[in-house]
Amino acid sequence: AQSVSQHNHHVILSEAASLELGCNYSYGGTVNLFWYVQYPGQHLQLLLKYFSGDPLVKGIKGFEAEFIKSKFSFNLRKPSVQWSDTAEYFCAVSYSGNTPLAFGKGTRLSVIA
Amino acid sequence: SAVISQKPSRDICQRGTSLTIQCQVDSQVTMMFWYRQQPGQSLTLIATANQGSEATYESGFVIDKFPISRPNLTFSTLTVSNMSPEDSSIYLCSVVGNGYTFGSGTRLTVV
Repeated sequence: AQSVSQHNHHVILSEAASLELGCNYSYGGTVNLFWYVQYPGQHLQLLLKYFSGDPLVKGIKGFEAEFIKSKFSFNLRKPSVQWSDTAEYFCAVSYSGNTPLAFGKGTRLSVIA
Repeated sequence: SAVISQKPSRDICQRGTSLTIQCQVDSQVTMMFWYRQQPGQSLTLIATANQGSEATYESGFVIDKFPISRPNLTFSTLTVSNMSPEDSSIYLCSVVGNGYTFGSGTRLTVV
């Protein structure tokens, strides 16, 4: 079964610091990759997704992610975080268009002034 | 992308009772998925619901506890039966079509 690993449980950054959240998946075939954000008390929101093509994907709110097939990774990045980026971030994977998403355990990001 | 209307948005229920959660999709979809998000945790897949067939449950989830109906291609329900405080979670439905869409969730508290 496919699995998703998010290495960081809780990340604390100061405003304007750069962010990189790790995500690795186990499936060796074709995958679809996603990053979701969940702000406190709110429901999931899609940040970005990768299906094929350019491995560097740009999403909303200045986030981007890079798919590195050889490393089975899809790390999330943002050059300069803001206090409003405080949230839980989930990486998710599916291996075909009609299968459910498998989610990582999530990374809690706290941005401090 | 599809739009999902999920009801109720939240409920507080007595232990031993049951709650039925509804998801209505604005387009026909083959597959619907039901997830649970326990407090402070990630999303865990409960089951996959196809129209016209029995739902497929993931390990650790059983039909008697989480019966699912899928009467047509735009609607599904998940019932949380004989609830206990451990069932307190957010329950979400999801569909796939040009990406994945999630309902807004049902925040269930069992007292």
